[in-house]
Amino acid sequence: EAGVAQSPRYKIIEKRQSVAFWCNPISGHATLYWYQQILGQGPKLLIQFQNNGVVDDSQLPKDRFSAERLKGVDSTLKIQPAKLEDSAVYLCASSLTPMDTGGRGLGREQYFGPGTRLTVT
Amino acid sequence: GEDVEQSLFLSVREGDSSVINCTYTDSSSTYLYWYKQEPGAGLQLLTYIFSNMDMKQDQRLTVLLNKKDKHLSLRIADTQTGDSAIYFCAEGLTDSWGKLQFGAGTQVVVTP
Repeated sequence: EAGVAQSPRYKIIEKRQSVAFWCNPISGHATLYWYQQILGQGPKLLIQFQNNGVVDDSQLPKDRFSAERLKGVDSTLKIQPAKLEDSAVYLCASSLTPMDTGGRGLGREQYFGPGTRLTVT
Repeated sequence: GEDVEQSLFLSVREGDSSVINCTYTDSSSTYLYWYKQEPGAGLQLLTYIFSNMDMKQDQRLTVLLNKKDKHLSLRIADTQTGDSAIYFCAEGLTDSWGKLQFGAGTQVVVTP
């Protein structure tokens, strides 16, 4: 079974430039997450989708970050314009939904992609 | 600051047991997770425990949960060099499918 795919793996941009990241979740996983992981910290959830709808974007800096999952499968995360403090690893994860698992714990397992390391100079 | 707290670093000799500790703050958490992150890789789920359990064992891994003290630990028996990684504790909330609050991670270094 293919895992969560992300691209690019690395990106270096200057501040005020724009950048986009792409994620393809595991086939059949309706729930998709974007996390930001700053060096030395744990991942922080930016946005959660179920199919093509947003479940939680409370920690997404909406003035510069946007994300979409138009067809309910792959997703893009965009930063425009980038700031120095956006330097981080952006992780995408996917999981089943409560309806798939009856709410059981195992179905909550999130499968993570390898991440995109962003450096803003 | 983080709602989930972990010690930052642990050094252990190969063959010994490792114990990684974590404290969390949200009493409504129903699932608690341990993830492993190797350099340049995403997070890999190692194990999880439901909040009505005290202990869970899975091969070399033992998870202990003290719900009263909101304390979670992960014990790795017979630690190997391949266990060198960053280990994250995470809590999942009952009313929020999938939303996890992660700690800052504990870097485990296994020495020969």
